[in-house]
Amino acid sequence: DGGITQSPKYLFRKEGQNVTLSCEQNLNHDAMYWYRQDPGQGLRLIYYSQIVNDFQKGDIAEGYSVSREKKESFPLTVTSAQKNPTAFYLCASSLRSSGANVLTFGAGSRLTVL
Amino acid sequence: AQSVSQHNHHVILSEAASLELGCNYSYGGTVNLFWYVQYPGQHLQLLLKYFSGDPLVKGIKGFEAEFIKSKFSFNLRKPSVQWSDTAEYFCAASNDYKLSFGAGTTVTVRA
Repeated sequence: DGGITQSPKYLFRKEGQNVTLSCEQNLNHDAMYWYRQDPGQGLRLIYYSQIVNDFQKGDIAEGYSVSREKKESFPLTVTSAQKNPTAFYLCASSLRSSGANVLTFGAGSRLTVL
Repeated sequence: AQSVSQHNHHVILSEAASLELGCNYSYGGTVNLFWYVQYPGQHLQLLLKYFSGDPLVKGIKGFEAEFIKSKFSFNLRKPSVQWSDTAEYFCAASNDYKLSFGAGTTVTVRA
């Protein structure tokens, strides 16, 4: 089945450590996105990528980094500079990057900083 | 700044009651509007969308939404809810390649 795979599902991190969340899609979608979901705040866009080897900052990019070396992969690194990293992270993709495209979401990764 | 606001944080209903969730957006020009739903333990998925044309759009599971341009609103409705409609509902909007979401409304339907 086509879809988006995020791993790990749960991750615990000590303060000061960088962690990388994986996102892989086999939908042949051009665009990929990372959102952060916090209770009462909805989904906030961290980074997005319209094509391979290109990505743009979203609304809350500080303390995060991404890469897009392959069409199917868009990993997110949560760095030690992120002040409040405990959250639920959602990866999504769309066929093309335009306002009219529907996003397909992964199951999410829950990061907890101890 | 472009934003999406949802009026209710948590709505509790009994089965067969009618549901209406409010959504307002602050975008200039052409806007694309969406409602996504997240059922317990499941992925976020599209409920319905509006791009242009008939302002009353119908989605899955009996949901519909009405685009009122003069009010910058895109409210979601269902005439008679079921226990299985218990979920978190997100309104979203875009006019380019960035989709902005509202804070979400948790709907609990009591049997």
